[in-house]
Amino acid sequence: AQSVTQPDIHITVSEGASLELRCNYSYGATPYLFWYVQSPGQGLQLLLKYFSGDTLVQGIKGFEAEFKRSQSSFNLRKPSVHWSDAAEYFCAVGDYSSASKIIFGSGTRLSIRP
Amino acid sequence: DAGVIQSPRHEVTEMGQEVTLRCKPISGHDYLFWYRQTMMRGLELLIYFNNNVPIDDSGMPEDRFSAKMPNASFSTLKIQPSEPRDSAVYFCASSRQLYEQYFGPGTRLTVT
Repeated sequence: AQSVTQPDIHITVSEGASLELRCNYSYGATPYLFWYVQSPGQGLQLLLKYFSGDTLVQGIKGFEAEFKRSQSSFNLRKPSVHWSDAAEYFCAVGDYSSASKIIFGSGTRLSIRP
Repeated sequence: DAGVIQSPRHEVTEMGQEVTLRCKPISGHDYLFWYRQTMMRGLELLIYFNNNVPIDDSGMPEDRFSAKMPNASFSTLKIQPSEPRDSAVYFCASSRQLYEQYFGPGTRLTVT
């Protein structure tokens, strides 16, 4: 069965520092991968997605993610974080064997140190 | 595009009462999903529809929960009777086939 693991429950980084959030997936075929962000009291917003092609994908708000098949990973990165990036981040894999259902990871909460 | 619309945004009710949550998906999207989010269990998929037909309801907690989608622009999630452990944020999301899901702002349900 498909699954997504986000090993870091909570990460704190200083404003202006670089960020990498880890995501590992388990999926038999080429996965469809997503990163969503949830600000406090808000719904989930799509940051970026990978379907095929270039393994480095660019998203909104200056985020990028790299698909590494050999490591079954899809880590999210940002070169310089802003205080407004404090939020919960969810990695997800598309379960297209059952038509469009998405399996979400447990989330990583990002805090920004002034 | 207005995005996914959910109502109400907040609901406070007493145990034993019926609760109905509403969702209007994005026009043209043929998939609709209901999720529940709690601190303890994270984000859980409850049920999803394709072209108004329920496809997978294996996440629905128990018979107290029911969901309907009478047409392409409206869905409801009903809890009857409600219990305190149903307190959570309920999200509706929609998508086109094989595309990313768009989430609504959620309904925060508190059952006292």
